[in-house]
Amino acid sequence: DGGITQSPKYLFRKEGQNVTLSCEQNLNHDAMYWYRQDPGQGLRLIYYSQIVNDFQKGDIAEGYSVSREKKESFPLTVTSAQKNPTAFYLCASSMQGPYGYTFGSGTRLTVV
Amino acid sequence: DAKTTQPPSMDCAEGRAANLPCNHSTISGNEYVYWYRQIHSQGPQYIIHGLKNNETNEMASLIITEDRKSSTLILPHATLRDTAVYYCIVRVANTGTASKLTFGTGTRLQVTL
Repeated sequence: DGGITQSPKYLFRKEGQNVTLSCEQNLNHDAMYWYRQDPGQGLRLIYYSQIVNDFQKGDIAEGYSVSREKKESFPLTVTSAQKNPTAFYLCASSMQGPYGYTFGSGTRLTVV
Repeated sequence: DAKTTQPPSMDCAEGRAANLPCNHSTISGNEYVYWYRQIHSQGPQYIIHGLKNNETNEMASLIITEDRKSSTLILPHATLRDTAVYYCIVRVANTGTASKLTFGTGTRLQVTL
């Protein structure tokens, strides 16, 4: 079945370490997105990408980096510069046209 | 993208219709209305979207007022599994550039026995 796979589901890291969250889709979608969600809050856009080798900052890009070397993959790196990295991270993809997003199941990152 | 206003919470008895309102009074002519829901600790799930006409699919119905300033998502026979946060979002369709979704805090629907 087509879909988006995020791994791992839970991730623990020590403060000051960089960590990379994986997002893979086999839907042949052009656009991919990373969102962050804090408890009781809505989703906030970190980065998005329309095509391979192109990506744009969202509303809260500071302390994060991404790459889009393949259409299927859009990994997110949470760097040590991100002051409050503990959150629920969601990856999504979409195709051109008035279609909705498909979301992954999320990665819950805890930095201790 | 236009902003939306939703009530923070609603209750619904199982088996009854759940009617979730959304106000989007500043919506533009080329903006669609989308509904998503998020069950605790999962990724949001697409439910339905529409531009002008009412829409129905296997999950829900979407009623958009004639002036497009508000809409209602209808779950015809709510079950306990419909308990979730429901987000109403308006945005221009993805026509070639990545079209960002802006999520508010949504409506927390609690379905009870």
